Amino acid sequence: EAGVTQSPTHLIKTRGQQATLRCSPISGHTSVYWYQQALGLGLQFLLWYDEGEERNRGNFPPRFSGRQFPNYSSELNVNALELEDSALYLCASSSTGSGANVLTFGAGSRLTVL
Amino acid sequence: TQLLEQSPQFLSIQEGENLTVYCNSSSVFSSLQWYRQEPGEGPVLLVTVVTGGEVKKLKRLTFQFGDARKDSSLHITAAQPGDTGLYLCAAVMDYKLSFGAGTTVTVRA
Repeated sequence: EAGVTQSPTHLIKTRGQQATLRCSPISGHTSVYWYQQALGLGLQFLLWYDEGEERNRGNFPPRFSGRQFPNYSSELNVNALELEDSALYLCASSSTGSGANVLTFGAGSRLTVL
Repeated sequence: TQLLEQSPQFLSIQEGENLTVYCNSSSVFSSLQWYRQEPGEGPVLLVTVVTGGEVKKLKRLTFQFGDARKDSSLHITAAQPGDTGLYLCAAVMDYKLSFGAGTTVTVRA
């Protein structure tokens, strides 16, 4: 069974540009979570999608947005990139929409903003 | 401010030594999870503890949940280089899984 897959693995952008990151959950999982892992800060919760709807949002500005598609895959968009957006962006999926379930993580997308 | 405080931040030991990592909070949790993250990978769930005072063992790893369900520890016996990684504790707060900042463990051969 395929795990959570994320693309691209690495992405380099300059300040002010937009970045789009993609995530495919484990087959049968309906919930997708996005986390930002910046150096020394641990995992910071960004967004939670379940059944195509945004269910919860972390303490991030509106230029961080996303969506979940009918096949439960998800996209994270970061507009007007800033240097401090450089981080590993992790996607995770779970089989229920409770937000409290066991999460299976992908390997992440490394975003570098120059 | 991290709601889950992990200590120490870094730990470097020789193969065969023991180590303990701590996760503390002022909040009471219904359950707490421990993850390990290796370089280039996402975190992988090691264990979930749910009962105050609970002790769970996973080979050479021993996890304990505090009696008051506010803290937890991870003890590794006779550490091996394969135990190297970032150890993260996590708990559900406000309908989302929140993580501590992690402890980076390096086991030298």
